[in-house]
Amino acid sequence: AQSVSQHNHHVILSEAASLELGCNYSYGGTVNLFWYVQYPGQHLQLLLKYFSGDPLVKGIKGFEAEFIKSKFSFNLRKPSVQWSDTAEYFCAVNAKGGATNKLIFGTGTLLAVQP
Amino acid sequence: DAGVTQSPTHLIKTRGQQVTLRCSPKSGHDTVSWYQQALGQGPQFIFQYYEEEERQRGNFPDRFSGHQFPNYSSELNVNALLLGDSALYLCASSLGTRAYNEQFFGPGTRLTVL
Repeated sequence: AQSVSQHNHHVILSEAASLELGCNYSYGGTVNLFWYVQYPGQHLQLLLKYFSGDPLVKGIKGFEAEFIKSKFSFNLRKPSVQWSDTAEYFCAVNAKGGATNKLIFGTGTLLAVQP
Repeated sequence: DAGVTQSPTHLIKTRGQQVTLRCSPKSGHDTVSWYQQALGQGPQFIFQYYEEEERQRGNFPDRFSGHQFPNYSSELNVNALLLGDSALYLCASSLGTRAYNEQFFGPGTRLTVL
């Protein structure tokens, strides 16, 4: 069965701390990978995506993620978080050769950054 | 340039009732997908509409149905509401249905079933 696992449900950090959010997927084929973010009171928006090529991808607001195929992982990182990074983060995948661009999401990680 | 819009914002229904949620895609987009996000969970794919047809469906019962209009807007209908249907319903639009076509999400409709 297709699934996405996010290991941390709730993370609390102080400003300037480093962030790493885990994401693993289970899928019987090649996938595209995404991280979405939902800031308080706002809609889901794309943070970054990986389709092919360099497994280290950079997104908006200083975020990056690394695709490790052998580990079926796509962890999100940021060297130094800010209070404004407080949000819920979702990892998602879709099938490269799928009939549609349907997304399969993880359960999300709620990040709280303390000033 | 308007993004994805959804109406209503909030809705309260009782068990057994029927509900219709509406979505207008981002300007220029022709594909609409619907997702259900229960509390504490990630969004789950319900179905996708393209060219006024349902193209793919997730693991949801037939009580969930939809429609896409010629102007690409879409409706999600849920019949015989259950308490478990309480959730945030998200609409996402894209230009095309290919895996590389980015989906843009609306703010959602919060449905509460009492």
